[in-house]
Amino acid sequence: EPEVTQTPSHQVTQMGQEVILRCVPISNHLYFYWYRQILGQKVEFLVSFYNNEISEKSEIFDDQFSVERPDGSNFTLKIRSTKLEDSAMYFCASRADRESTDTQYFGPGTRLTVL
Amino acid sequence: RKEVEQDPGPFNVPEGATVAFNCTYSNSASQSFFWYRQDCRKEPKLLMSVYSSGNEDGRFTAQLNRASQYISLLIRDSKLSDSATYLCVVSAGAGSYQLTFGKGTKLSVIP
Repeated sequence: EPEVTQTPSHQVTQMGQEVILRCVPISNHLYFYWYRQILGQKVEFLVSFYNNEISEKSEIFDDQFSVERPDGSNFTLKIRSTKLEDSAMYFCASRADRESTDTQYFGPGTRLTVL
Repeated sequence: RKEVEQDPGPFNVPEGATVAFNCTYSNSASQSFFWYRQDCRKEPKLLMSVYSSGNEDGRFTAQLNRASQYISLLIRDSKLSDSATYLCVVSAGAGSYQLTFGKGTKLSVIP
């Protein structure tokens, strides 16, 4: 069964450093998403991406964040200058462009720890 | 503010028990509704979509009441492997597929 993959599984960084989290969505999917989950809290939407541009973003997704689809398979989330409060699990998700389903499938996540 | 509220839990039930989870959502424009399960420190995994007519998948039954903005999940004959956090999830609606998650209800099935 096709699945979303994410790398790395765990990233430790110093405050102020840049990080790039990588995702490979399911191959025939066209809509891509990033969510985050701070430990003990609910999953929160960050951004959605379609046709090489951002279609929606939340108030969490400020100027420190950016997303890119640099090639036909990868989808990345960059945090330019990490803060302690960016420590969380970051989940990538993808969705097929079919009328019959609007289900999003989640990757295993990257645990980001900012020291 | 668009919110999804769930029973806080935790629910501790014996194997074989029937357990019900409830959820309410505030955004009347929501079009799609789901139950996901999340194991500790893992990603959310789709359990089932929820339809207005109600739907069943084996031991799991989901119901949606759009008028009350209420969603439920019933698990019959609980198994140890059902132990997880159950997340009520709705789409933002109005052409948006952004998902809004509830905080989840933790279920522990005890031998």
